[in-house]
Amino acid sequence: DQQVKQNSPSLSVQEGRISILNCDYTNSMFDYFLWYKKYPAEGPTFLISISSIKDKNEDGRFTVFLNKSAKHLSLHIVPSQPGDSAVYFCAAGGTSYGKLTFGQGTILTVHP
Amino acid sequence: GAGVSQTPSNKVTEKGKYVELRCDPISGHTALYWYRQSLGQGPEFLIYFQGTGAADDSGLPNDRFFAVRPEGSVSTLKIQRTERGDSAVYLCASSLSVGLNTEAFFGQGTRLTVV
Repeated sequence: DQQVKQNSPSLSVQEGRISILNCDYTNSMFDYFLWYKKYPAEGPTFLISISSIKDKNEDGRFTVFLNKSAKHLSLHIVPSQPGDSAVYFCAAGGTSYGKLTFGQGTILTVHP
Repeated sequence: GAGVSQTPSNKVTEKGKYVELRCDPISGHTALYWYRQSLGQGPEFLIYFQGTGAADDSGLPNDRFFAVRPEGSVSTLKIQRTERGDSAVYLCASSLSVGLNTEAFFGQGTRLTVV
């Protein structure tokens, strides 16, 4: 039972354009969501998070949008840069427990 | 050290052998997590500790897997009678506490290959 799904295995974007990565979840008990970025041979690094009481959180070039009714979140990167090329994972958690449930990841490639 | 450290970075073992994977969390982090990542998948939760105790071990796949954190700092993930299906990258993470705004920092992982 995949509670967090990233349905696009890969995304290719031109430098300077917007990258939009999508994530869907099924468990209504999740009340916060995170995006992690992973380079080869490294562990995931935290990018940005959002509480379920908000619908948007912004940090520099990164914005996360949450649509609770649709159980959908997205990460927008604008403008995209070649250094953003990595695997992006969305993850979900609950404030009453510690574990995170991750999606399968989306490989983002930003072309110069 | 400044980050989460995992040793060894790579481990090749024969089917049926016992292995131990070590995690040194960030100093002062009370929560410690183990995840497993198979090729093409996201990290899959195994167990997490709050201090010395396992707060949630619901992700351990079977009784061949065991983890300890005896002094509330370093943790060891132990796998008995390894099987080829155990081959994966084992990730450790730590955080100051749990919940929103308590970012989990990951180590670089231990790549386990069972041959």
